[in-house]
Amino acid sequence: TQLLEQSPQFLSIQEGENLTVYCNSSSVFSSLQWYRQEPGEGPVLLVTVVTGGEVKKLKRLTFQFGDARKDSSLHITAAQPGDTGLYLCAGDWSSYNTDKLIFGTGTRLQVFP
Amino acid sequence: NAGVTQTPKFQVLKTGQSMTLQCAQDMNHEYMSWYRQDPGMGLRLIHYSVGAGITDQGEVPNGYNVSRSTTEDFPLRLLSAAPSQTSVYFCASSFQGVGYNSPLHFGNGTRLTVT
Repeated sequence: TQLLEQSPQFLSIQEGENLTVYCNSSSVFSSLQWYRQEPGEGPVLLVTVVTGGEVKKLKRLTFQFGDARKDSSLHITAAQPGDTGLYLCAGDWSSYNTDKLIFGTGTRLQVFP
Repeated sequence: NAGVTQTPKFQVLKTGQSMTLQCAQDMNHEYMSWYRQDPGMGLRLIHYSVGAGITDQGEVPNGYNVSRSTTEDFPLRLLSAAPSQTSVYFCASSFQGVGYNSPLHFGNGTRLTVT
């Protein structure tokens, strides 16, 4: 059973377009992390959201945590070829540090020039 | 700092063979973990350790063993390789646990093929 579902699984867009990636679960998370992974490398942390309804911005990337802390979204404005990669959400359940971080199924993004 | 170092980068095994995937970190992190990555499945946790001498099972532990004799090293052992263990394996570490103030740092992975 996959606890964290991401959609879409694949996304191919032209440079300059906007896109949104979703991360959904039936479980409530204490925090949710977003990672980006490039070919041949390990995932790298982009952002962590903690509070229900929280919005964080990282240049052209906007991350939102759902009010009920069961879902999150990543919105990219004016996508660039450098945004190409695999985007992974990951959730934990504790109020502080827990032992297990569970990852979503991933969204593979391709941005064409 | 080198961060998290995994060796080897690539490995081909025959069914039934055993091997050890190495992972070392130089950040003095207490927490270390192993994930496998398969297409469409994201990353799945195999085993993890919250400190030297302590290990525990993740989501998919069958067929794998781990030990943590030092803070720096966390090897993953495949006892009798099976084709279902063909995957990319990632080692990751964090300062303490995996909560909001302790993100994971990943190695660059080991691509394993079992024939």
